[in-house]
Amino acid sequence: GENVEQHPSTLSVQEGDSAVIKCTYSDSASNYFPWYKQELGKRPQLIIDIRSNVGEKKDQRIAVTLNKTAKHFSLHITETQPEDSAVYFCAATGANNLFFGTGTRLTVIP
Amino acid sequence: DTEVTQTPKHLVMGMTNKKSLKCEQHMGHRAMYWYKQKAKKPPELMFVYSYEKLSINESVPSRFSPECPNSSLLNLHLHALQPEDSALYLCASSQDRRRSYNEQFFGPGTRLTVL
Repeated sequence: GENVEQHPSTLSVQEGDSAVIKCTYSDSASNYFPWYKQELGKRPQLIIDIRSNVGEKKDQRIAVTLNKTAKHFSLHITETQPEDSAVYFCAATGANNLFFGTGTRLTVIP
Repeated sequence: DTEVTQTPKHLVMGMTNKKSLKCEQHMGHRAMYWYKQKAKKPPELMFVYSYEKLSINESVPSRFSPECPNSSLLNLHLHALQPEDSALYLCASSQDRRRSYNEQFFGPGTRLTVL
């Protein structure tokens, strides 16, 4: 099955700085890579996703890049704000199921 | 309606109790999922229903029994649970599990505590 690794497990940045979270996956058949943000006690919310036929996608301060050859994808958050503080999960779709990374706790320091 | 709803929000039960978790969506999605999430861990897939039929059971103990009465509803029946089953139980839905790009929408979850 698919195996998704995520780094770092924790990340602290100053407000206004950028944050980068990286994930790797193992199954070359995976073709959909969503990112979820989960605030304490709340549901995972999809913040951005990328399909295997695209190398980069951007939505305001959030961007995701995908390198299919290397089997890795990354989340980039620019101009971070305190409300960006949360746990972020990457995921890969293999065999039509979502396989999650282990999560990154992002703390944005005001 | 673009949300997945779950009831109850919180549930405390003893090990001998029988209870049920409910999930509902009205987005016309034909795939529904149950996940279990422990603190500081990612969601862990339990069951998948596709077109109201159980398509995946990830080796979940029989004390958890899923049910999909129709395309909008998903239940999880609980019986004789253990304290280690305490977790956040998340329901999700997606348009069609057979699609290549299968965006899943999560409900708010039920926080379950087993005493």
